[in-house]
Amino acid sequence: DIVMTQTPSSQAVSAGEKVTMSCKSSQSLLYSENKKNYLAWYQQKPGQSPKLLISWASTRESGVPDRFIGSGSGTDFTLTISSVQAEDLAVYYCEQYYDTPLTFGSGTKLEIK
Amino acid sequence: EVKLLESGGGLVQPGGSLRLSCAASGFTFADFYMSWIRQSPGKAPEWLSFIRNKANSYTTEYNPSVKGRFTISRDDTQNVLYLQMNTLRAEDTAIYYCAKHGGGYWFAYWGQGTLVTVSS
Repeated sequence: DIVMTQTPSSQAVSAGEKVTMSCKSSQSLLYSENKKNYLAWYQQKPGQSPKLLISWASTRESGVPDRFIGSGSGTDFTLTISSVQAEDLAVYYCEQYYDTPLTFGSGTKLEIK
Repeated sequence: EVKLLESGGGLVQPGGSLRLSCAASGFTFADFYMSWIRQSPGKAPEWLSFIRNKANSYTTEYNPSVKGRFTISRDDTQNVLYLQMNTLRAEDTAIYYCAKHGGGYWFAYWGQGTLVTVSS
């Protein structure tokens, strides 16, 4: 199985600050034939189901604010929130869909100071 | 608007069975791959199974953690996804979500989930 490791496990920032969180995979998620990284990011707010933010490591879903930026390739990926808002309080998960079983990281909990 | 509504959860004894349903609307259900995912309190989601569409022969994949005990199926005439769960264990206790796949194997939409509790 591909193991996804997310750091930090939690992070507290003030509104307006920039935040970055890391997701590392135990093997490359870059498919050589199409040069795409098979990685997605989700946001799960308290009491809600997860919501897709980004697919293909950096493609934002329609309606997702442009302060959410996905980057990285191979085994190292980053989700950046350029200017955190109070409503961004959530746990953020990465998921690899390069191979089955599809696997998630353990999440980064974002707290607002 | 995409809607996914799970049902069928509840309290079941260890060794028992349960069948979950997911009613889909707001999109052409028959065209899309669908998955079941579960999440224990305070834990990351765990993908369980997906089923491809008719064009891909309704083939299925399972997480080894549930293979042989859980069976995914779909009814494209009723727009419903199912998960038959047998030989349930305490560690199967979780919220169970159905999800619609995007263009790849990511999860574009999730339902609100149904709680399954396995306890005597």
